[in-house]
Amino acid sequence: NFMLTQPHSVSEAPGKTVSISCTRSSGSIASNYVQWYQQRPGSAPTNIIYEDNQRPSGVPDRFSGSIDSSSNSASLTISGLRTEDEADYYCQSFDDNNLWLFGGGTKLTVL
Amino acid sequence: QVQLVQSGAEVKKPGSSVKVSCKASGGTFNDFSFSWVRQAPGQGLEWMGAIIPSVGVSNYVSKFQGRVVFTADRSTSTVYMELKSLKSEDTAIYFCARDRFDLWGQGTRVTVSS
Repeated sequence: NFMLTQPHSVSEAPGKTVSISCTRSSGSIASNYVQWYQQRPGSAPTNIIYEDNQRPSGVPDRFSGSIDSSSNSASLTISGLRTEDEADYYCQSFDDNNLWLFGGGTKLTVL
Repeated sequence: QVQLVQSGAEVKKPGSSVKVSCKASGGTFNDFSFSWVRQAPGQGLEWMGAIIPSVGVSNYVSKFQGRVVFTADRSTSTVYMELKSLKSEDTAIYFCARDRFDLWGQGTRVTVSS
């Protein structure tokens, strides 16, 4: 199995842009789609990016996803930061052993 | 509107079992798989496994193999997660999620304490 490593925390000011990385420990990041979830305190996670870069309906286009094979990582980018974006963010991918794996999560603080 | 509604909070003794339900309402049930994900206090998300109700097949993470059982009742569109031989480390919020994790239950808090 591989691991997905995320920074523990990131912070940025309102209106700015922030990126959260998710690095795959072995195997190619492009081998399996990456999803991203937002979890506000006391709530269940919600899907904000699926299949690397697709947004579910209702998710603002301020949220975007990408993968970078050179760093073997996926990224979630949030532009025009708002205070309501303050939450925990998790990446997820599928292991070929039929396992779903989550990254450790990143706490986003909007200063 | 499709929802996943989970059963209420539980407090259990070490060594006992807990069974959490997740009822799907407002949509098709048999077309999807359902996963169980847990989150210990202050920790991240941990996938436990999944069940395909239409065929009754489950896939469990090896860490939980032998202690967890997923079942489904197609007549009530409900999936269940039973965790046995509870330990204090099983204290967590347990979520069900549909198929590609596009829909989640509200979570069920399970506290294991003597």
